[in-house]
Amino acid sequence: AQSVTQLGSHVSVSEGALVLLRCNYSSSVPPYLFWYVQYPNQGLQLLLKYTSAATLVKGINGFEAEFKKSETSFHLTKPSAHMRDAAEYFCAVSDTGGSQGNLIFGKGTKLSVKP
Amino acid sequence: DVKVTQSSRYLVKRTGEKVFLECVQDMDHENMFWYRQDPGLGLRLIYFSYDVKMKEKGDIPEGYSVSREKKERFSLILESASTNQTSMYLCASRRGQRYQPQHFGDGTRLSIL
Repeated sequence: AQSVTQLGSHVSVSEGALVLLRCNYSSSVPPYLFWYVQYPNQGLQLLLKYTSAATLVKGINGFEAEFKKSETSFHLTKPSAHMRDAAEYFCAVSDTGGSQGNLIFGKGTKLSVKP
Repeated sequence: DVKVTQSSRYLVKRTGEKVFLECVQDMDHENMFWYRQDPGLGLRLIYFSYDVKMKEKGDIPEGYSVSREKKERFSLILESASTNQTSMYLCASRRGQRYQPQHFGDGTRLSIL
């Protein structure tokens, strides 16, 4: 069965600093991977997705993620944090065990950005 | 752009009431999902539907039921609300196969008193 682990429930960075949010997955088959962002009192918004094309995936708002099969990782990065990036971020893998490919989510990482 | 609309942003109900949460999507998506979100637990799947009148249990279906009479609408029903069902509820829809992303509504924050 697939699973997702996000290391660090809270990450704090200074404005302008590098953002690195970690995600490791387990999957017996090539995975489909997603990153979502959730701003306070809102639903989840898709940041980017990996569907077995390029291993470096660019998303919205300057975020990108690199798929590393050998490390079973899909870490999310952004070179320079903005205050507006403060939100909760979720990594998810598409479930291959079920009939309809439901998403299995990590528990989320809350990003704080200090001025 | 895909639009997933949940009927209420905030809802307060009493223990024992029957509660309906409504979700509508405007992109003719086959698949629709209901999640609950709790601090420290992430998102957990309650039920999903891959076609009209079709439904499957997710990870935590106990105390809930669903209805999908029309393709665009997916309803979550709390048969007899209890305080441990106080949570944020998120609806999502997805077109086609599992490599497609899910699109989420803004959520309903439900409080059971």
